[in-house]
Amino acid sequence: DAGVIQSPRHEVTEMGQEVTLRCKPISGHDYLFWYRQTMMRGLELLIYFNNNVPIDDSGMPEDRFSAKMPNASFSTLKIQPSEPRDSAVYFCASSQSYTSGGDTYEQYFGPGTRLTVT
Amino acid sequence: GIQVEQSPPDLILQEGANSTLRCNFSDSVNNLQWFHQNPWGQLINLFYIPSGTKQNGRLSATTVATERYSLLYISSSQTTDSGVYFCAVEQNNAGNMLTFGGGTRLMVKP
Repeated sequence: DAGVIQSPRHEVTEMGQEVTLRCKPISGHDYLFWYRQTMMRGLELLIYFNNNVPIDDSGMPEDRFSAKMPNASFSTLKIQPSEPRDSAVYFCASSQSYTSGGDTYEQYFGPGTRLTVT
Repeated sequence: GIQVEQSPPDLILQEGANSTLRCNFSDSVNNLQWFHQNPWGQLINLFYIPSGTKQNGRLSATTVATERYSLLYISSSQTTDSGVYFCAVEQNNAGNMLTFGGGTRLMVKP
């Protein structure tokens, strides 16, 4: 398997522009997670999906952030409008459940998208 | 939410030395993972270890869930071991979210 795929790897944009980050999870994984890494806050969960349905978006910083998962092999994280404080590395991860109650195996992370907003 | 603390925050080793990294967590967990973030930023899975002991080459890990800590052992360190080591936990009955510790930044000198 190719692992979790993210695009673009680097994004530089100006304040106020819309940014869309993309993720393809590992085939067969039913959980997908979006994380953000900054120097100040470390790695923090933004939102996660199970079977394409958003389960917990309490980590999404504000209404400027939105995430979708239209099918099992694709998810997007959108920031509109972008601000300099959104500059960070955004990671997508996926995992597979092994019980009907939602217990999951380990999460696998993509290479991340480094976003710079000027 | 659950608190995850890693120690030491920084560690400098001479190549060939051994080290132990510690992860303490404040509540019961379903899942515990150790990651290595390499200098290119990639998060590499090291261990999935909610309890017990596992070994993979020069690395091994032990989680004592009842006492809420995990240890990562690195033996005969190499310069390629440099980077940041993260412990992440999934709290019981709190969904499938991983909460990350602050990391241990390791530098191995030749």
